[in-house]
Amino acid sequence: SQTIHQWPATLVQPVGSPLSLECTVEGTSNPNLYWYRQAAGRGLQLLFYSVGIGQISSEVPQNLSASRPQDRQFILSSKKLLLSDSGFYLCAWGRLAGASYNEQFFGPGTRLTVL
Amino acid sequence: DAKTTQPNSMESNEEEPVHLPCNHSTISGTDYIHWYRQLPSQGPEYVIHGLTSNVNNRMASLAIAEDRKSSTLILHRATLRDAAVYYCILRDISNFGNEKLTFGTGTRLTIIP
Repeated sequence: SQTIHQWPATLVQPVGSPLSLECTVEGTSNPNLYWYRQAAGRGLQLLFYSVGIGQISSEVPQNLSASRPQDRQFILSSKKLLLSDSGFYLCAWGRLAGASYNEQFFGPGTRLTVL
Repeated sequence: DAKTTQPNSMESNEEEPVHLPCNHSTISGTDYIHWYRQLPSQGPEYVIHGLTSNVNNRMASLAIAEDRKSSTLILHRATLRDAAVYYCILRDISNFGNEKLTFGTGTRLTIIP
């Protein structure tokens, strides 16, 4: 069975510090991978998605970046965090199981607080 | 992607059916209707999806209007564990390979014991 891991679960960082959040998927190959952010009381905002190693599409211009060094590894980074980067960060994977079926599976999330 | 409109919040009594509406008046012929829900402090989870016909699974039923401009997610017997934010999402299958889902703000469902 497939599983998705995210760490850390919670993180408190000062403004201006770097960030690295990691997401790994097990039990599937060549998944689509996604990073979402959810600010307090808001909906999910798609930040990045990747359809393969080294292929990253950015949805929202910001001070965040993403990388996919391996097939089942997706990393979200920042060189300098802003207060507005606080939120609940969710990694998800999806599979191309036919044109009609695009279930996305979400990880447990990382709650980031920037002070 | 076509947009969806949902009520911000709804309440329902425990053990009663719940009907969560979604309007998607600009839906195209290649848009699938997906529903996800997000329990508190968790990531969203898939509930159900459909194209034209009504769909049933172990979690819920999806009723799709004949003109496809609206749909309703039906929870047949709500429990306290169904309290969550429910998202109605359209996905254009003609954009195969770009497998994105655009989440709106959803409907916050409160279950009253």
